Amino acid sequence: NAGVTQTPKFRVLKTGQSMTLLCAQDMNHEYMYWYRQDPGMGLRLIHYSVGEGTTAKGEVPDGYNVSRLKKQNFLLGLESAAPSQTSVYFCASSEQQPTGELFFGEGSRLTVL
Amino acid sequence: DQQVKQNSPSLSVQEGRISILNCDYTNSMFDYFLWYKKYPAEGPTFLISISSIKDKNEDGRFTVFLNKSAKHLSLHIVPSQPGDSAVYFCAASGGSNYKLTFGKGTLLTVNP
Repeated sequence: NAGVTQTPKFRVLKTGQSMTLLCAQDMNHEYMYWYRQDPGMGLRLIHYSVGEGTTAKGEVPDGYNVSRLKKQNFLLGLESAAPSQTSVYFCASSEQQPTGELFFGEGSRLTVL
Repeated sequence: DQQVKQNSPSLSVQEGRISILNCDYTNSMFDYFLWYKKYPAEGPTFLISISSIKDKNEDGRFTVFLNKSAKHLSLHIVPSQPGDSAVYFCAASGGSNYKLTFGKGTLLTVNP
């Protein structure tokens, strides 16, 4: 019973490098989200998707891109990483909104040097 | 502009006593509220929720109270157990908004 799976779990990048975080959910949820968690800042929404082929900006979208080509996958891309993007990234999915419970992955810790 | 505020970064209580975690919100469109618990190195997990048509929701040791006029909600844990030690996030949604807005979290420590 996997739920929401994020890969990779840890990554170190140099400034200017690019990378993609992959989120996969096996619950057939329509809605998927990418959050970042920083000390003293709580969880902030980066981008979200309300269904396959759709994406929308959250609170802090700058420097990130996303794609939802398949219903079960939600990719978060960093085209040119910056130290300010050092964070723990959480993917989440839900069956319905706005009252649907979010199911979170275990997180991906990214360090940009 | 922080729409969901958890003004206490941390709280420490003794095992067996009551833990009360507070949350304030500013957006009057919010009509659904949730609490999530997060252990270190894990993702947040859903704990309990409440709709704005209610003022109380109870689930075992956990009760959430909502005061709409004050735009305030609280989570009560009775009795508190050491395993409850975690970061607790308050979250809110409302209207046609497809997303949850989270507070900054409160670190609860329950001492044996």
